[in-house]
Amino acid sequence: QQQVKQSPQSLIVQKGGISIINCAYENTAFDYFPWYQQFPGKGPALLIAIRPDVSEKKEGRFTISFNKSAKQFSLHIMDSQPGDSATYFCAASLARSRLTFGEGTQLTVNP
Amino acid sequence: EAEVAQSPRYKITEKSQAVAFWCDPISGHATLYWYRQILGQGPELLVQFQDESVVDDSQLPKDRFSAERLKGVDSTLKIQPAELGDSAMYLCASSSLGDTQYFGPGTRLTVL
Repeated sequence: QQQVKQSPQSLIVQKGGISIINCAYENTAFDYFPWYQQFPGKGPALLIAIRPDVSEKKEGRFTISFNKSAKQFSLHIMDSQPGDSATYFCAASLARSRLTFGEGTQLTVNP
Repeated sequence: EAEVAQSPRYKITEKSQAVAFWCDPISGHATLYWYRQILGQGPELLVQFQDESVVDDSQLPKDRFSAERLKGVDSTLKIQPAELGDSAMYLCASSSLGDTQYFGPGTRLTVL
């Protein structure tokens, strides 16, 4: 059962543009929502994370927006750079248990 | 900066052979996870350890997969016998008291 759905599957943006990736979850008990960045042949690296008691969190060019009533959260990458080209995964977990990942979004930032 | 170590980075084996992967978590991290990532998909948990105890192995195919963390530090994941469908990236992650899971570089397994 897929508990975290992610869209789009792929995304192409121009340098300097805004990249937006969306996720929806089913389990209302989830209490931790991280985003991971993964380059080819590498392990996922934590980018930014949020808890459901906060509606927005910003770290540098990366922002998570969280809508608890809609059971949705999104990643916004401002001023996207070619070096941001990677696969991005949203995830969710409950009480430090397994991470349930979305299907991933392959982001390409053109120079 | 402390990192999760995994070896080997790449493994090619023939079906029906046995393979083993090793993981050394970040020092002091009590929780260790093994995930499997099929190409083009997100990682899926195989097994979670708290110290030396298994706390979640509900998705581990126990007829062929085994995992141990004898002294509560490093861990080994074994597949015997390997099948074609086991070709994937095997990722190890660790965490301390918080929620953040730190991933290693993974072992890319190819079963021929």
